[in-house]
Amino acid sequence: ELKVEQNPLFLSMQEGKNYTIYCNYSTTSDRLYWYRQDPGKSLESLFVLLSNGAVKQEGRLMASLDTKARLSTLHITAAVHDLSATYFCAVEEVKLTFGTGTRLTIIP
Amino acid sequence: ETGVTQTPRHLVMGMTNKKSLKCEQHLGHNAMYWYKQSAKKPLELMFVYSLEERVENNSVPSRFSPECPNSSHLFLHLHTLQPEDSALYLCASSQDRYSNQPQHFGDGTRLSIL
Repeated sequence: ELKVEQNPLFLSMQEGKNYTIYCNYSTTSDRLYWYRQDPGKSLESLFVLLSNGAVKQEGRLMASLDTKARLSTLHITAAVHDLSATYFCAVEEVKLTFGTGTRLTIIP
Repeated sequence: ETGVTQTPRHLVMGMTNKKSLKCEQHLGHNAMYWYKQSAKKPLELMFVYSLEERVENNSVPSRFSPECPNSSHLFLHLHTLQPEDSALYLCASSQDRYSNQPQHFGDGTRLSIL
């Protein structure tokens, strides 16, 4: 059974700082997705990573995929309050399997 | 506007009630999904429909009964639920089941079982 683990589960950081969220998974899949969820809202797609070494960037967020290490990272640069949300990675094999999420709080 | 609309947004029901959750997508997608999101647990896939045919039932109890009358609509019929079924139920759609495109999610129905 595919397992997807995220860490940390909770992250509180100051505005302007950099940090990385990690997503480890247990298969050789090369299809990984990052989503964002605000409280009471739906999941919003952030990145789709479909090959080893894939890197995608949007604003202050950058995601990468290392299929050999079975690891994806979501890097936050110079955090701002608007980035406070829960971030999920999800790995697709036969079906989409989600990590437990990382609740990110940006402190002014 | 997410393109995936779920109703109702909130539902409180007793264990003996029967109710239905509705999902509608206006994205022209061919695959639709039901997920359960509980506190402190990852999203759990419940059902998958592709071209209106159920292609996956992820060991979900029979008190949950999905229905997909056409490619734009998905229902989840509920009956004789248990307190542990209280959760956020999310509907999602994608172009096709293995399209390498992200799934688009609705805002969910917050279900509370008394």
